[in-house]
Amino acid sequence: EVLLVESGGGLVQPGGSLRLSCAASGFLFDTAWMSWVRQAPGKGLEWLGRIKGIVDGGTTDYAAPVKGRFTISRDDSKDTLYLQMTSLTSEDTGMYYCVRETTLIGDWGQGALVTVSS
Amino acid sequence: DVVMTQSPLSLPVTLGQAASMSCRSSQSLVHSDGNTYLNWYQQRPGQSPRRLIYKVSNRDSGVPDRFSGSGSGTDFTLKISRVEAEDVGIYYCLQGTHWPPGYTFGQGTKLEIK
Repeated sequence: EVLLVESGGGLVQPGGSLRLSCAASGFLFDTAWMSWVRQAPGKGLEWLGRIKGIVDGGTTDYAAPVKGRFTISRDDSKDTLYLQMTSLTSEDTGMYYCVRETTLIGDWGQGALVTVSS
Repeated sequence: DVVMTQSPLSLPVTLGQAASMSCRSSQSLVHSDGNTYLNWYQQRPGQSPRRLIYKVSNRDSGVPDRFSGSGSGTDFTLKISRVEAEDVGIYYCLQGTHWPPGYTFGQGTKLEIK
């Protein structure tokens, strides 16, 4: 069974930084392509970025709204995906989902809630 | 950039009746490899999204056969043959053909029971 468990969410002040983690199990993590998707309160889904598997170069792609502020990385020795977020604003408030790419987006985690507020 | 437009935004349906929702893209979603990368997702209240349909019409494992996807080019449809109470939620389409800008979701169709 594929399991994706996000952690690291919480309350952060505007301008601050936060790192989310996603612990993966149930599949070969090092070859998997992984993405982050977020959902602002009461709003739709927004893809943020992805990281390819190590055999495909481990390269990253980002959506325009977060490029330069967010960084996706992975530690294949720990089967863990990360999302480093900087220069956070209130518009970054929402639920952040770790997802595994299988024919686009396949499996979803339960999400981590990030609140940006003073 | 490709824009995904779903309609209607709200879909009230009577239990046991059929439901249909649309997803239109601003550009053809036929990829150069011949595939059409259009998926459908269901998000029940308070839950994470889950995929129902991949590549237009392929149902995921465990998805009831009352769900079906169809379409081509720029016009796609998700149909539910007989709506059940557990189908309440928001349905999103997603394109993955055009890269960049990356994956693009539609704004969602909220299905509710009349």
